[in-house]
Amino acid sequence: DAKTTQPPSMDCAEGRAANLPCNHSTISGNEYVYWYRQIHSQGPQYIIHGLKNNETNEMASLIITEDRKSSTLILPHATLRDTAVYYCIVSRYAGGTSYGKLTFGQGTILTVHP
Amino acid sequence: GAVVSQHPSRVICKSGTSVKIECRSLDFQATTMFWYRQFPKQSLMLMATSNEGSKATYEQGVEKDKFLINHASLTLSTLTVTSAHPEDSSFYICSAIAGLSTDTQYFGPGTRLTVL
Repeated sequence: DAKTTQPPSMDCAEGRAANLPCNHSTISGNEYVYWYRQIHSQGPQYIIHGLKNNETNEMASLIITEDRKSSTLILPHATLRDTAVYYCIVSRYAGGTSYGKLTFGQGTILTVHP
Repeated sequence: GAVVSQHPSRVICKSGTSVKIECRSLDFQATTMFWYRQFPKQSLMLMATSNEGSKATYEQGVEKDKFLINHASLTLSTLTVTSAHPEDSSFYICSAIAGLSTDTQYFGPGTRLTVL
């Protein structure tokens, strides 16, 4: 699976949008971009994923560039509870009863401050 | 939906004993479950993939005789750490794939294992 590069840390003010970048320049055509987050001492939480179109759900929006070499996760109105490590992962969708492995990097530590 | 639970959440055991950790998918059937390990200040590392009714597939460097995985039903996978030693102390996390048309993994809350 393609590697990803994320900034080690970011800060965001409460109530503002948090924009977390991710580079995945070697992504291949059948690989999805997944975002998870991990709050301290908990299991990772699924946020969103996409292939090439922008995606939005109740938690966040995912913007993928046209060449798919980078993406941005947007938390529209960050709260203190959004403080976590955010992981951007590229994984091949295998379909059916097969699976794509998730390889976790170091992620971005997002700190939301009052 | 897509809730995964783990039991116990925390366990302390003596060196040389075995510890079993359960992972359950509460509102879906999971043909595939995964087991990860996370040491302090490090990222998650995949240990093994568990498919219902078949033997687990272990990642390179993970001892299959030490970390026994059983996926006996579509909602339950267990990880047994045999003859645990202090270096096995870690945060063990399972995940499950909900359904056949997706690869999205949903994670349990994790189990903190401390071996004295």
